[in-house]
Amino acid sequence: GAGVSQTPSNKVTEKGKYVELRCDPISGHTALYWYRQSLGQGPEFLIYFQGTGAADDSGLPNDRFFAVRPEGSVSTLKIQRTERGDSAVYLCASSRQAYNEQFFGPGTRLTVL
Amino acid sequence: ELKVEQNPLFLSMQEGKNYTIYCNYSTTSDRLYWYRQDPGKSLESLFVLLSNGAVKQEGRLMASLDTKARLSTLHITAAVHDLSATYFCAVDIPGGTSYGKLTFGQGTILTVHP
Repeated sequence: GAGVSQTPSNKVTEKGKYVELRCDPISGHTALYWYRQSLGQGPEFLIYFQGTGAADDSGLPNDRFFAVRPEGSVSTLKIQRTERGDSAVYLCASSRQAYNEQFFGPGTRLTVL
Repeated sequence: ELKVEQNPLFLSMQEGKNYTIYCNYSTTSDRLYWYRQDPGKSLESLFVLLSNGAVKQEGRLMASLDTKARLSTLHITAAVHDLSATYFCAVDIPGGTSYGKLTFGQGTILTVHP
C-alpha cells in the first residue's frame, strides 16, 4: 500500500516568509509524528498527534512553529517568520497507534535564504 | 532526559570484513529501533527490538539488545558496497507521556570500499 507522503519535497524561501509543509500518513494510522533533521544529525522530535489533537508538542523550538491535523489524517506543519536556522529536512512519520513502529515519509527539505 | 549515543560516528570498512556499531542510551527502555538512511533519502526501518536479549538478523546485518547494559549492537558480516549508508539507532520510552516519540543517535556513516 501507499506509504507516508510529504509535499513539497523541496521548499526554498526567504527569511521572514511563512511556509506550510504537508504530511499524508498511511491510511488508518492514528499516530503522527513530525521530526526535524539538520545536516549530519539524527532526527529530532517536534510534535506528536493522536487523532486530531497534538498530545505532545514539547519539541517545537518556539512559537513560530505550529502544526495541525484537523481531520485526523493529513497534517500541516506551519512555520512563521522563517529564519535561516530553520533550514533542515522535516520528516513526518506515522504508526497505527502510539508506541507502534513508525514509518517515515521522504521528507521536505526546507532552505531559508 | 534520554540521550542516545552511537559509536563510531564514521566507519570505513573493506568489503568482506566484519564490524559492529554500538548504541548506548541513558534511560531504562526495552524498545530500540535501527534505521538506514541513504544520501538524500528518508529513513528505512531495519530492526525493531522490543525486549531484553532480542536478536534479529536480516542478510548481513544482525541487531541485538541488552536492556540491562542499555546497549544495542548492529553487527555487519562480510560487508558489501551496498551496505554503505548512514545507520541510526533510536529509542523510545514505554508508557507515561512519551507516546512513542523517538530519540535518535547521531548516526554512523558507513562506507564500504573494495
